[in-house]
Amino acid sequence: SQTIHQWPATLVQPVGSPLSLECTVEGTSNPNLYWYRQAAGRGLQLLFYSVGIGQISSEVPQNLSASRPQDRQFILSSKKLLLSDSGFYLCAWTPGLAGADTQYFGPGTRLTVL
Amino acid sequence: AQSVSQHNHHVILSEAASLELGCNYSYGGTVNLFWYVQYPGQHLQLLLKYFSGDPLVKGIKGFEAEFIKSKFSFNLRKPSVQWSDTAEYFCAVNGRGTYKYIFGTGTRLKVLA
Repeated sequence: SQTIHQWPATLVQPVGSPLSLECTVEGTSNPNLYWYRQAAGRGLQLLFYSVGIGQISSEVPQNLSASRPQDRQFILSSKKLLLSDSGFYLCAWTPGLAGADTQYFGPGTRLTVL
Repeated sequence: AQSVSQHNHHVILSEAASLELGCNYSYGGTVNLFWYVQYPGQHLQLLLKYFSGDPLVKGIKGFEAEFIKSKFSFNLRKPSVQWSDTAEYFCAVNGRGTYKYIFGTGTRLKVLA
């Protein structure tokens, strides 16, 4: 069966510090991978998605970036965190074909920027 | 613009009451529709989905949703809620043939025992 991991589970970082959140998927090949940010009362905001190694689509211009160095690994990064980057970050995956399928979500990372 | 609207942000019901959560979308094309649920302390998970065919779809735990194309709606219903249905519910849209999913802002449901 497929599983999705995210770490760390929680993170407290000072403003201006770098960020690296990792997501890995097990039990499948060629998944589409997604990063969302969930903020109270604002639902899930799609940040990035990737349909293959090295292929990143950005949905929201901001100081975050994403990378996909391996087929089942998706990394969310920042060089300098802002207060507004605080939130709950979710990674998700779907099977390889475009759309029309369920998204499977990870447990999330709670990021607090102070 | 592509968007999903969930008009009820917080809903409080007593056990055995009926539930209907509204979801309206704006999208210029054929869509796939989803309801996801996030129980306290758990991962976001699929409740039900609509791709094509019968516009009334049934999901887990007695939930159902009806796709009304003319109203751009996909409302979630349950005839009799339980305390264990306390959760946050999200409606989502995916443009057919695309990789993007658009989520609504969510509805927090609290069921009183």
